[in-house]
Amino acid sequence: QVQLVESGGGVVQPGRSLRLSCAASGFTFNNYALHWVRQAPGKGLEWVAVISNDGSNKYYADSVRGRFTISRDNSKNTLYLQMNSLRAEDTAVYYCARDVVARPPYSGMDVWGQGTTVTVSS
Amino acid sequence: DIQLTQSPSFLSASVGDRVTITCRASQGISSYLAWYQQKPGKAPKLLIYAASTLQSGVPSRFSGSGSGTEFTLTISSLQPEDFATYCCQQLNSYPYTFGQGTKLQIK
Repeated sequence: QVQLVESGGGVVQPGRSLRLSCAASGFTFNNYALHWVRQAPGKGLEWVAVISNDGSNKYYADSVRGRFTISRDNSKNTLYLQMNSLRAEDTAVYYCARDVVARPPYSGMDVWGQGTTVTVSS
Repeated sequence: DIQLTQSPSFLSASVGDRVTITCRASQGISSYLAWYQQKPGKAPKLLIYAASTLQSGVPSRFSGSGSGTEFTLTISSLQPEDFATYCCQQLNSYPYTFGQGTKLQIK
């Protein structure tokens, strides 16, 4: 079945780095754009980044631009989020999600992973 | 950044009721709006995209309308499984933003 599975979350000290992965299965990976979305404890959803189907278009939230990098390996059906210079306010559940379309303009996220928790704390 | 304001933030209703949730954008976003349902501890679920297109597999009691700056999500007859938090998202311009959410509770 169509599935996204995140991994790589954990507890990390402020200023350190972490890389999240999102493994896809059950669909043609390179036909879809992919997003990262996060949700801090008890808070609403925050969009983090998006990457087009071929990796040529990437956009970021202001809060992570310059610190986070989204990428994908279409040969491995895997999406990544490299997170550097982590801050306490980056603590959240991180979801990867598939867009309905491949390239901008994007439409919405129809397949979501179960989420992976990132805790930034000393 | 485009701000999305949902109203109400909390809504109490009964099974069988018709409910409407509004999402207002701080500037025009054409029809680049999606609606999601989220239950505690679970990932969001896409209900509506492009303001009014029902996602495959979503019951027809859900509908969306609007364009520009004002949008609505309507549930025509509430079912027990519909009690959840609903959230809108704009995909008109970066950074994409979400509304603050509307928690739909059982009366």
